[in-house]
Amino acid sequence: AQSVTQLDSHVSVSEGTPVLLRCNYSSSYSPSLFWYVQHPNKGLQLLLKYTSAATLVKGINGFEAEFKKSETSFHLTKPSAHMSDAAEYFCVVSLLNSGNTPLVFGKGTRLSVIA
Amino acid sequence: GAVVSQHPSWVICKSGTSVKIECRSLDFQATTMFWYRQFPKQSLMLMATSNEGSKATYEQGVEKDKFLINHASLTLSTLTVTSAHPEDSSFYICSALGLEETQYFGPGTRLLVL
Repeated sequence: AQSVTQLDSHVSVSEGTPVLLRCNYSSSYSPSLFWYVQHPNKGLQLLLKYTSAATLVKGINGFEAEFKKSETSFHLTKPSAHMSDAAEYFCVVSLLNSGNTPLVFGKGTRLSVIA
Repeated sequence: GAVVSQHPSWVICKSGTSVKIECRSLDFQATTMFWYRQFPKQSLMLMATSNEGSKATYEQGVEKDKFLINHASLTLSTLTVTSAHPEDSSFYICSALGLEETQYFGPGTRLLVL
């Protein structure tokens, strides 16, 4: 069975400093991994996804994540935080090529950006 | 591309009434859509998987007679909360399965049952 662990429930950074949101996964199969962002009272927006191609995945708004199979990790990073990055971030895993593919969500990490 | 809409975005209803929420994939066809529920400050909980032209598959603990799902076309799935009660108040989010097994999410519908 798949599972996702987001290691921090809350991360606070200063504007202009790097962002690191940590995620570890567990999957019996080759997983697809995603990061979604949710701003307050909004739906989810896809930031980036890994589907067994390049291990370093670049997403929108300057975010990127690296798939490390040996560490079963898929941490999300950004070199310089912006105030608009403050939101809830979800690491998500699904089975690749299973056809009917429910997602398994992490509990989320709330990112605060301090001016 | 890959835009999913939900309607309404906000609904307030009286206890005992039924509420229908629509989920549409605007620029792609989706044979599979998903319905999630999100409580305040919590993650998303999958309620059911909706397949076009067939019955929805409900997750354990979700009452299928309470939460009716219809996926009548490749671009529309509806969730009807029947005989709503205050405990059904929540944020309901749908997603549509697009290319490369990627789910695209709608903006959510906030339901408040008085």
